[in-house]
Amino acid sequence: GNSVTQMEGPVTLSEEAFLTINCTYTATGYPSLFWYVQYPGEGLQLLLKATKADDKGSNKGFEATYRKETTSFHLEKGSVQVSDSAVYFCALSPENTGNQFYFGTGTSLTVIP
Amino acid sequence: EAGVVQSPRYKIIEKKQPVAFWCNPISGHNTLYWYLQNLGQGPELLIRYENEEAVDDSQLPKDRFSAERLKGVDSTLKIQPAELGDSAVYLCASSLDRDDEQFFGPGTRLTVL
Repeated sequence: GNSVTQMEGPVTLSEEAFLTINCTYTATGYPSLFWYVQYPGEGLQLLLKATKADDKGSNKGFEATYRKETTSFHLEKGSVQVSDSAVYFCALSPENTGNQFYFGTGTSLTVIP
Repeated sequence: EAGVVQSPRYKIIEKKQPVAFWCNPISGHNTLYWYLQNLGQGPELLIRYENEEAVDDSQLPKDRFSAERLKGVDSTLKIQPAELGDSAVYLCASSLDRDDEQFFGPGTRLTVL
């Protein structure tokens, strides 16, 4: 079946620290992979995506590379800010399923000044 | 441009009572999704509409849950009767078409006492 496993939180970092949130997936074929972010009191927002192996998605200083060989899509940022405090969700959409999503459980990030 | 609008934002009811949630998608978006998000979990799809047609409702508990999308715009999700286990956040999302980016609303947090 299709599933996403992501690093459990919560994660607390100091400002300007390096961030990694691990995400691995199980899927048949070649799914598209996504990271969504949910700021307090707001809906989920698409942060970045990658649709094929070795693609790198990037946005707002965040990056993630689609690794088919390790079935991973880890989220990284070189220097986090207080404004990055949010819950981050890894998700996959299997190919040819018309945008059907499978989400991970979410990882809460708190960045302290 | 207005995002996906949901109301109410919060709802507290007693078990066995009915409850309804409303969603107004982004103007022009043909595809509408309802998700259930339990505490500490990622969203899970309940039902997906393409215009007025429910094209994927396999995860909707049809004994107590119902949904409609009259005229292919606004949508209502209903629970009757509510049970304690229904306490969760109900998210609505929309996309231009089935393969496009999904935009999420802020959700309705339901508490069943």
